[in-house]
Amino acid sequence: DAGVIQSPRHEVTEMGQEVTLRCKPISGHDYLFWYRQTMMRGLELLIYFNNNVPIDDSGMPEDRFSAKMPNASFSTLKIQPSEPRDSAVYFCASSLFRSVNQPQHFGDGTRLSIL
Amino acid sequence: AQTVTQSQPEMSVQEAETVTLSCTYDTSESDYYLFWYKQPPSRQMILVIRQEAYKQQNATENRFSVNFQKAAKSFSLKISDSQLGDAAMYFCAYRYNNNDMRFGAGTRLTVKP
Repeated sequence: DAGVIQSPRHEVTEMGQEVTLRCKPISGHDYLFWYRQTMMRGLELLIYFNNNVPIDDSGMPEDRFSAKMPNASFSTLKIQPSEPRDSAVYFCASSLFRSVNQPQHFGDGTRLSIL
Repeated sequence: AQTVTQSQPEMSVQEAETVTLSCTYDTSESDYYLFWYKQPPSRQMILVIRQEAYKQQNATENRFSVNFQKAAKSFSLKISDSQLGDAAMYFCAYRYNNNDMRFGAGTRLTVKP
């Protein structure tokens, strides 16, 4: 089975540029989560979707961050404009509703560096 | 609010020895799920072991086992016969219902040859 697929694996861009991170969840999974990982704050949940609908976006740091899930097999996390403090590893994860005891399956993450 | 605490930022173990990583959590729920994830330098998040709160028996996966103390809200991970490949960050996580998973700050495990 293919796991959660994230792209790009690395992204380096200059401050002020728009950044788009992409995620393909595991087929059949109906929950999708976006996390940010930094040394200072650890793993933070940014937003999660159920059946393509955003359920909780309280972790999204600012209006510069937005996330969409246009269909069950694709989600994006966009930062516009980007700032150096946005530099982090961003993870996407997916899981099944019917199996509450199932873990979240993580992608390999995108390492974002804002210069 | 549910919180997860890992009080050991770093731990070290000699190859082939046993090490225990600590985790405590705070919740008012009675039915929930606990997980340990491993994050090696490759930064993948790999599930190590899971535990359902309604099960009294401690979960075991090969060399990995947990000591689940529900009353104390404690969920420690024991790694037996430690191997060099066990070196990683280990995250304890809590999940209630279908809400988000809460992670601890992590413990960095070093395995000495």
